[in-house]
Amino acid sequence: DAGITQSPRYKITETGRQVTLMCHQTWSHSYMFWYRQDLGHGLRLIYYSAAADITDKGEVPDGYVVSRSKTENFPLTLESATRSQTSVYFCASSEWTGGAGYTFGSGTRLTVV
Amino acid sequence: QKEVEQNSGPLSVPEGAIASLNCTYSDRVSQSFFWYRQYSGKSPELIMSIYSNGDKEDGRFTAQLNKASQYVSLLIRDSQPSDSATYLCALAGGTSYGKLTFGQGTILTVHP
Repeated sequence: DAGITQSPRYKITETGRQVTLMCHQTWSHSYMFWYRQDLGHGLRLIYYSAAADITDKGEVPDGYVVSRSKTENFPLTLESATRSQTSVYFCASSEWTGGAGYTFGSGTRLTVV
Repeated sequence: QKEVEQNSGPLSVPEGAIASLNCTYSDRVSQSFFWYRQYSGKSPELIMSIYSNGDKEDGRFTAQLNKASQYVSLLIRDSQPSDSATYLCALAGGTSYGKLTFGQGTILTVHP
């Protein structure tokens, strides 16, 4: 199916474990983004990528790692999960940087216990 | 000061009324402005974009931009219960070139 998909939809993990959230888009969009959404903070950018093998930090990158070996995939890894990383994570993709073309995935609700 | 600030909610309006949502921003060089709607448990979806000073209308929605005063607003006319959602203001360009910066969102409830 065309679109942007995230997996898993829900995840519970323990403090200290490594977790990878997956994001896959079928449009061949150049730009991909990872945001986290928390009450009172809105959406905050974690990392973004302008193309395969090009990534850059956003507003809240600490504790996260990304890679983009293929245009269509942009996984987000929490190297050692902490309770403060409990959040809803949204992946988005866009053809251009202006913002109007952002399409969001359905989100991953991550709980770190 | 946060880069993007939205009027604190929640905002409650009766069905058929005009809902007014406001957003101010600190980066004068910002170029593109957007309003996203997010239903509970869902992902944000774009409803309006505006790039020039003035008003832009799309159906029941009107976006207003004033770059000199650094604010952008969204008016929803004839509000419906289905408009109940969180509305997110976002901007791009300037120091945030290449990525969207979001406000914290305003919860809107339209009651019958």
